[in-house]
Amino acid sequence: GAGVSQSPSNKVTEKGKDVELRCDPISGHTALYWYRQSLGQGLEFLIYFQGNSAPDKSGLPSDRFSAERTGGSVSTLTIQRTQQEDSAVYLCASTNRGGETQYFGPGTRLLVL
Amino acid sequence: AQKITQTQPGMFVQEKEAVTLDCTYDTSDQSYGLFWYKQPSSGEMIFLIYQGSYDEQNATEGRYSLNFQKARKSANLVISASQLGDSAMYFCAMSSNNAGNMLTFGGGTRLMVKP
Repeated sequence: GAGVSQSPSNKVTEKGKDVELRCDPISGHTALYWYRQSLGQGLEFLIYFQGNSAPDKSGLPSDRFSAERTGGSVSTLTIQRTQQEDSAVYLCASTNRGGETQYFGPGTRLLVL
Repeated sequence: AQKITQTQPGMFVQEKEAVTLDCTYDTSDQSYGLFWYKQPSSGEMIFLIYQGSYDEQNATEGRYSLNFQKARKSANLVISASQLGDSAMYFCAMSSNNAGNMLTFGGGTRLMVKP
């Protein structure tokens, strides 16, 4: 079956612009996670959605970051007023309820000039 | 808070030999999971192996095995019969069953397999 998909695969933007990153989880997976991978900080958790429950936003680095998940499936991560330190690879992962293993998408490479 | 430590930034191994990648962790949780992921130069994160904190047997998946020593809080990955395609970054990670299972990652080990 299809894995986790993310779009765009690459995004170049100018400082101060808003960007939207999309994640389409594996069909039937109820849990969805966003992570960020950067040279300076390694891999960091950002936000977690489980079914219809309120998301766990404890990893979001600032209020410029937000995410939503529509219909319990596709998720969009939005970064407002991008800064150069937001340059990173943004990874999405999904898993079944009660499942342990998270399966990752290919990531979106964001470069803020 | 959870912490994962991978002390080997880079390692070389000869093709067809076995290699051990080190991982130690710190957590106050009683129930947790330990994972290894492979990240080739293409950037995708590929799941390799999982060990639950209550599992008594070490996990194995093909050429991969996880040497779980709970008292020492270590979860080393052993790759047997290394292949050139094993050259990649390897990340150890853990999840807390009490906190939504989000993953905490180590800094990674870059493995290079020599022909």
